[in-house]
Amino acid sequence: ETGVTQTPRHLVMGMTNKKSLKCEQHLGHNAMYWYKQSAKKPLELMFVYSLEERVENNSVPSRFSPECPNSSHLFLHLHTLQPEDSALYLCASSQDGVSSGANVLTFGAGSRLTVL
Amino acid sequence: GQNIDQPTEMTATEGAIVQINCTYQTSGFNGLFWYQQHAGEAPTFLSYNVLDGLEEKGRFSSFLSRSKGYSYLLLKELQMKDSASYLCAVLDSNYQLIWGAGTKLIIKP
Repeated sequence: ETGVTQTPRHLVMGMTNKKSLKCEQHLGHNAMYWYKQSAKKPLELMFVYSLEERVENNSVPSRFSPECPNSSHLFLHLHTLQPEDSALYLCASSQDGVSSGANVLTFGAGSRLTVL
Repeated sequence: GQNIDQPTEMTATEGAIVQINCTYQTSGFNGLFWYQQHAGEAPTFLSYNVLDGLEEKGRFSSFLSRSKGYSYLLLKELQMKDSASYLCAVLDSNYQLIWGAGTKLIIKP
């Protein structure tokens, strides 16, 4: 248990489904992140929430929609995904927000997504 | 462009020493991180280097040479539980993390 909890751990969905990934941290951190991890590829930063301000990677398709209702919870809403979106989605948090120095990330164990 | 290079996979023997290299070309440098990720688990922080030299932490050490754009993670007295992927990441001038693809380390008895 790292202090960052992700649910569900595994998700299989069809291309027309709508689902959501949930992330929760009770570390008192001020920033939360969504990363995509594909086999043998670098981690891809998708979204960052820092002090409730969203910093978005412009290359993320609109079929991925983040939501951060408070500093402890982060969601990733999924809609009409493609098979190439199958990956491990990692949530992370850090004490301070981006552009605030060398922040150590605390990751969750990830949600393994398979799109059929 | 920005790039982090590390070997895809390495194999070592239990009880031995292994060095995992990471080279980088980034827009500026504000430090280098190493994370460990066991299969199916969360990546966990191992080390952070911002100045040249060797930082030792138990069986693990991390080295940085900023002039060469090079770092390595040294693991001593290898144990089976050290089988994992090791991720190198550099903090660039905008404090954005640039990640390598990770090195899968296999430990054999």
